[in-house]
Amino acid sequence: DQQVKQNSPSLSVQEGRISILNCDYTNSMFDYFLWYKKYPAEGPTFLISISSIKDKNEDGRFTVFLNKSAKHLSLHIVPSQPGDSAVYFCAASYSGTYKYIFGTGTRLKVLA
Amino acid sequence: EAQVTQNPRYLITVTGKKLTVTCSQNMNHEYMSWYRQDPGLGLRQIYYSMNVEVTDKGDVPEGYKVSRKEKRNFPLILESPSPNQTSLYFCASSSPGQGASSGRDSSYNEQFFGPGTRLTVL
Repeated sequence: DQQVKQNSPSLSVQEGRISILNCDYTNSMFDYFLWYKKYPAEGPTFLISISSIKDKNEDGRFTVFLNKSAKHLSLHIVPSQPGDSAVYFCAASYSGTYKYIFGTGTRLKVLA
Repeated sequence: EAQVTQNPRYLITVTGKKLTVTCSQNMNHEYMSWYRQDPGLGLRQIYYSMNVEVTDKGDVPEGYKVSRKEKRNFPLILESPSPNQTSLYFCASSSPGQGASSGRDSSYNEQFFGPGTRLTVL
């Protein structure tokens, strides 16, 4: 049972445009969400996070939106750059545990 | 340089031959964790440790053991590897409660991942 789902395995976007990566979850106990970026032959690196008390968090070109009623979060990258081409994972956790559930990843390709 | 190191980076072994993948961090992090990455399945947590001598199972602990005798090290042990343990393994560490910065909630910290260990069990 996949508690965190990234239904788009891949996404291509033109440089300078907006990239929107989506993530859905099923467990309503999740109260903290993170996005990681992964380049080939490297470990994932943290990008941005959001707790369930917020519905939006920004960090430069990256914004994460959380819709708790829909159990959905999205990562917006504006403007997209070729260096953003990577696999993006969303992850979820909940208070009182140190368990993290990751999605299957979305491969983003930003075309120059 | 703050980092998480894993050794070996690549390993080919045979079924049943015990192996250990080492993980070490130099950031004095309390929390460490092991994940495996498989095509179509994303990252799945194997075991995690909240501090020295404190470990707990993740989602896919079967066939693995861990130990946390020192804060900086968190080895992953496969007592009798099988072909279904062929995978890409990542170690990670973090320090829950570390200060917040842009994009981060102060009560929960992101994990720093090692470069990965690609294991093939024949």
